[in-house]
Amino acid sequence: DAKTTQPPSMDCAEGRAANLPCNHSTISGNEYVYWYRQIHSQGPQYIIHGLKNNETNEMASLIITEDRKSSTLILPHATLRDTAVYYCIVRDSGNTGKLIFGQGTTLQVKP
Amino acid sequence: GAVVSQHPSRVICKSGTSVKIECRSLDFQATTMFWYRQFPKQSLMLMATSNEGSKATYEQGVEKDKFLINHASLTLSTLTVTSAHPEDSSFYICSATPGQNNQPQHFGDGTRLSIL
Repeated sequence: DAKTTQPPSMDCAEGRAANLPCNHSTISGNEYVYWYRQIHSQGPQYIIHGLKNNETNEMASLIITEDRKSSTLILPHATLRDTAVYYCIVRDSGNTGKLIFGQGTTLQVKP
Repeated sequence: GAVVSQHPSRVICKSGTSVKIECRSLDFQATTMFWYRQFPKQSLMLMATSNEGSKATYEQGVEKDKFLINHASLTLSTLTVTSAHPEDSSFYICSATPGQNNQPQHFGDGTRLSIL
């Protein structure tokens, strides 16, 4: 089973920041938080990942709470092309490194 | 960035035939690749972990004789759906990771399989 909880859907106005929350209250100390997104009929696209420090790259920022029980993915200036299903995943701590997908958040960016 | 290629992107075939899907890591070596299946309006479901040079590890409920996985090289894994039936129609997606466990997995663009 997925170890994360996300709201099923969110809307965001084009040009505004999109803040996508994720709860992972049972995360263990050596597990990373990964974010992917999936645009219709395509494979998931990697966005960002982190352990405990906040992370930023050209796509997004990841804010992880100090207790690591939740995180927020921030798309600073959402565009229509950011409309997708966003998945927050806690990476399996075993050697396989497999990803278990939950239902994700469907983000709709509106003009 | 890392690129994973899947082929074919779409296949339509008759019930009872076997279908092979290829997953290639184009610019890195992957000792481990993963196969997922996704039904309409659902999330991705992990089917199996493909290990180069050894047998694949299947998730609970996935028939290993139905979904044959071969990982013969560090850049290629294949999934063969044997004696496919309409209920096997789905979106099949592979992923691979370049190296250490905490490096991100990269996904192919998926294969849309339709069994008539």
